[in-house]
Amino acid sequence: KNEVEQSPQNLTAQEGEFITINCSYSVGISALHWLQQHPGGGIVSLFMLSSGKKKHGRLIATINIQEKHSSLHITASHPRDSAVYICAVFKTSGSRLTFGEGTQLTVNP
Amino acid sequence: GAGVSQSPSNKVTEKGKDVELRCDPISGHTALYWYRQSLGQGLEFLIYFQGNSAPDKSGLPSDRFSAERTGGSVSTLTIQRTQQEDSAVYLCASSLVERGPGVDTQYFGPGTRLTVL
Repeated sequence: KNEVEQSPQNLTAQEGEFITINCSYSVGISALHWLQQHPGGGIVSLFMLSSGKKKHGRLIATINIQEKHSSLHITASHPRDSAVYICAVFKTSGSRLTFGEGTQLTVNP
Repeated sequence: GAGVSQSPSNKVTEKGKDVELRCDPISGHTALYWYRQSLGQGLEFLIYFQGNSAPDKSGLPSDRFSAERTGGSVSTLTIQRTQQEDSAVYLCASSLVERGPGVDTQYFGPGTRLTVL
């Protein structure tokens, strides 16, 4: 079993829909990262969380440390949001990020 | 401002040859990471540098892989006697490490796409 599990693996939405991507992890962490990878391959860091909730524009990320779970929400989705969203955790015992498999999001106009 | 840069952007090589991949982190960033993404696979950690030292090399897949960082800046990932399974996109990231490795935003380079024929 992977230490970081994301769901769903693939998600197709219509423009304007509210989107949720989930991430569960099974290890102790000091931080959780949400990354976005566009079709060209470039990776952008969206959020780094260690507790609570963060918001940036139409993106919201939450984390529940007790339940070892994080969610990434996109409000009023747009075709330009189409990308792979990757959850990664920084384990308390190490110095590396451990990645989920990613969620492929497609937003249709 | 300059972000993380990597060179070359694409590299095609023959099986058995050595390759060197270069990463130029953001100026002032003390932490540098190498990752690999094979086709259709997730990101895989390779090695982490803090300054010029590599406290975590445990992600390197074999002794054919090595990396160094000089002057706390540029890093080179070397793959000796390349194999077809080494074909992947190799990504570099850097972070400022104000609060500690992994708890600061990592800035990714565009990657080097390596194809081993």
